Amino acid sequence: QVQLQESGPGLAKPSETLSLICTVSHGSIRSKYWSWLRQPPGKGLEWIGHIFYTGTSNYNPSLKSRVTMSVDTSQNQFSLRLTSVTAADTAVYYCARTDILSGSFDFWGRGTPVTVSS
Amino acid sequence: QSALTQPASVSGSPGQSITISCTGTSSDIGGYNLVSWYRHYPGKAPQLIFYQDTKRPSGISNRFSVSKSGNTASLTISGLQAEDEADYFCCSFASSTWVFGGGTKLTVL
Repeated sequence: QVQLQESGPGLAKPSETLSLICTVSHGSIRSKYWSWLRQPPGKGLEWIGHIFYTGTSNYNPSLKSRVTMSVDTSQNQFSLRLTSVTAADTAVYYCARTDILSGSFDFWGRGTPVTVSS
Repeated sequence: QSALTQPASVSGSPGQSITISCTGTSSDIGGYNLVSWYRHYPGKAPQLIFYQDTKRPSGISNRFSVSKSGNTASLTISGLQAEDEADYFCCSFASSTWVFGGGTKLTVL
């Protein structure tokens, strides 16, 4: 069964860039799409964007200007960069495998909390 | 505020049935047959329990069922068991993005 694990700093300062990595195990990254999502405290989930193993990506319009995703097939990892963070970016960040045809997220990581604070 | 509206909490006794609603608009739930549902035990990875409105992945109990009418989708859990206590959230494709409900905490009394 495919497993995903998020990693990265749990704290970021305002105006800095947040970087997270998702490591995929028990399955190849060379299939499907791979998404980042987040859940701010007390709020619902927000889809940040997804990337295909070839590097083709699609981002949520609300975050597009600050988001970059990339993929490293040699490491079976994909990553998220979010620039100019503010307190509003404080959230639990999840990575998930995306089945585009069914419009669903069939495997998820456990999530990693990120706090933006000076 | 989430794009899709779910009740914050529901509860039921073992053996009973509960239903969680998920209300959106014609731009999401009502516009596509791409509603999915997830179960999330705190601290664990969320788990897909329905996709494409009504399809159940292998391994998901048939005590779980779903329906959709217009802009509202619903998840029903029958024969409640203690292990069903978790957070449940809905999701819908919406044009070029995905939107989610705020999640519903199910308590088994």
